[in-house]
Amino acid sequence: AQSVTQLDSQVPVFEEAPVELRCNYSSSVSVYLFWYVQYPNQGLQLLLKYLSGSTLVKGINGFEAEFNKSQTSFHLRKPSVHISDTAEYFCAVKDTGGFKTIFGAGTRLFVKA
Amino acid sequence: GAGVSQSPSNKVTEKGKDVELRCDPISGHTALYWYRQSLGQGLEFLIYFQGNSAPDKSGLPSDRFSAERTGGSVSTLTIQRTQQEDSAVYLCASSTPGNPFAYGYTFGSGTRLTVV
Repeated sequence: AQSVTQLDSQVPVFEEAPVELRCNYSSSVSVYLFWYVQYPNQGLQLLLKYLSGSTLVKGINGFEAEFNKSQTSFHLRKPSVHISDTAEYFCAVKDTGGFKTIFGAGTRLFVKA
Repeated sequence: GAGVSQSPSNKVTEKGKDVELRCDPISGHTALYWYRQSLGQGLEFLIYFQGNSAPDKSGLPSDRFSAERTGGSVSTLTIQRTQQEDSAVYLCASSTPGNPFAYGYTFGSGTRLTVV
């Protein structure tokens, strides 16, 4: 079975500062990894995904994530955040042979002016 | 349709009543998922449909919960004899045919259920 741990429940950051949202996963098999974003009063949107190949994955809105197999991590980064990035971010994992995606508890990113 | 549509968007019900939540996935998406999002918690998997079949119902919290899908399209999640702990946002998602497991999900905006 897989599990996902998002190490920070809330991350406050000033506008134009860099940010990293941490995600660690546990699985005994190979996995696909995802980050989703949920803006206030909206549904979840896929931000980026890792399926295979290059461990650095680029997504929408300038976000990127790096898959580190040895550390079982998939941290999300952005070099310079905007007020509009304020949202909740969910890390998710699915084993490559399964159908169920397991989500973390979410990290609420607050971008302050 | 253009996106995953869920109805109603909000539902307030009295404890003990039955409720039905509807999900209309993107046309052509064969896989459909129900999740529950409770305040301060992540998404809890409830059930998965491939076509009209549900290979995995293990996420349903109790036998008060049931779901069906007809015509490989619309799905209904039914909660009988609702309890206050059922209050949550119920999210539906669908994914593309082919290799649905690799493409991520498209989520609906959810149904916010409040049991009073």
